[in-house]
Amino acid sequence: NAGVTQTPKFQVLKTGQSMTLQCAQDMNHEYMSWYRQDPGMGLRLIHYSVGAGITDQGEVPNGYNVSRSTTEDFPLRLLSAAPSQTSVYFCASSYVGTGSYEQYFGPGTRLTVT
Amino acid sequence: QQPVQSPQAVILREGEDAVINCSSSKALYSVHWYRQKHGEAPVFLMILLKGGEQKGHDKISASFNEKKQQSSLYLTASQLSYSGTYFCGTDQENNNDMRFGAGTRLTVKP
Repeated sequence: NAGVTQTPKFQVLKTGQSMTLQCAQDMNHEYMSWYRQDPGMGLRLIHYSVGAGITDQGEVPNGYNVSRSTTEDFPLRLLSAAPSQTSVYFCASSYVGTGSYEQYFGPGTRLTVT
Repeated sequence: QQPVQSPQAVILREGEDAVINCSSSKALYSVHWYRQKHGEAPVFLMILLKGGEQKGHDKISASFNEKKQQSSLYLTASQLSYSGTYFCGTDQENNNDMRFGAGTRLTVKP
């Protein structure tokens, strides 16, 4: 099993550009999520999904869109990048009911917006 | 609401012990603990469910006081490999909305 994979590993964008961060998992997990990690802030939940066709907002959803058309994939779209979105982005997956199950994290995407 | 971790950072010598605390202002369903090495993804350590659990994992153990909405992670006889940032994650209603603390940076020196 590859676990949770993310692409790209690094990305530099100019303000106003859009892009999609890719996330895939091969563990048949219903739950997938996106976090951003900023220095001193820990991990903050952006969006999550409990299955194909179902998404919900987390703590910091503004400026990001998600969709879930398959169990395996959960892409994160930045519509119009801003310097405040410079961060490291982690995708994670687990069984539904994340309070009871460990989350598996991908290796992260380091995004810089200039 | 994010849980609060303390201390923010701790430096140990090999063989020393450390305690990392995590507290919430709201009732919790569970507390998760993860460790993250620099430049890597967080790695799962353990989950504690409400009911006042204690768990052990080699020389790393944790407790969960449901009434106080607090959890503590205990690292005994620390090793160099324990260095990293430790995060607690809390879930209030098993509703898939997990919040993480800001992290505790642990450095173990020879």
